[in-house]
Amino acid sequence: DADVTQTPRNRITKTGKRIMLECSQTKGHDRMYWYRQDPGLGLRLIYYSFDVKDINKGEISDGYSVSRQAQAKFSLSLESAIPNQTALYFCATSDRTSGHYNEQFFGPGTRLTVL
Amino acid sequence: AQSVSQHNHHVILSEAASLELGCNYSYGGTVNLFWYVQYPGQHLQLLLKYFSGDPLVKGIKGFEAEFIKSKFSFNLRKPSVQWSDTAEYFCAVTVYGNNRLAFGKGNQVVVIP
Repeated sequence: DADVTQTPRNRITKTGKRIMLECSQTKGHDRMYWYRQDPGLGLRLIYYSFDVKDINKGEISDGYSVSRQAQAKFSLSLESAIPNQTALYFCATSDRTSGHYNEQFFGPGTRLTVL
Repeated sequence: AQSVSQHNHHVILSEAASLELGCNYSYGGTVNLFWYVQYPGQHLQLLLKYFSGDPLVKGIKGFEAEFIKSKFSFNLRKPSVQWSDTAEYFCAVTVYGNNRLAFGKGNQVVVIP
């Protein structure tokens, strides 16, 4: 969805480096999410945020941190990247006014390779 | 914790064949159900969703899914696939009042022309 953008789209880095992945949205949604996708494992939730002051761990938060700089921006950081963090990372948004519907809108993804 | 099961991770079929992908979830509360599709090199897009009402849901591109509450299932179907349906398909579930989606591991579908 063009309303959810991610930068960079591809990144190759070395073990131990600090990496930041950024997500921006123009949908006006209050909720934002970070997932990683690995072949055969589907999508797994890393962190999610329901508003600027609300940050929650997902199922695989170890080794990651996030920052919700504004309603429209949600960044994911790898403080010290390791090879098993090589994956496709997706940002998603959803709208509280949808109530319980929870339809999420996904960005184009960032392919991260840690050597 | 809620879980979502998708079987037959790799599916290969010919054009015009029928497709059915199974999805079972473990949670017993009121659920919202989704199928997302990811075309090669692209992000996830919503194919269809179920919140309430008619358990047979029509989605885009000729897809439909049926919610069977007694079987905790939400299977995806398409009567006649096309080469352009080659993609990975993900079932996702959320429980009413919980804003987290749980995804299945996906079905990689390859349609041979």
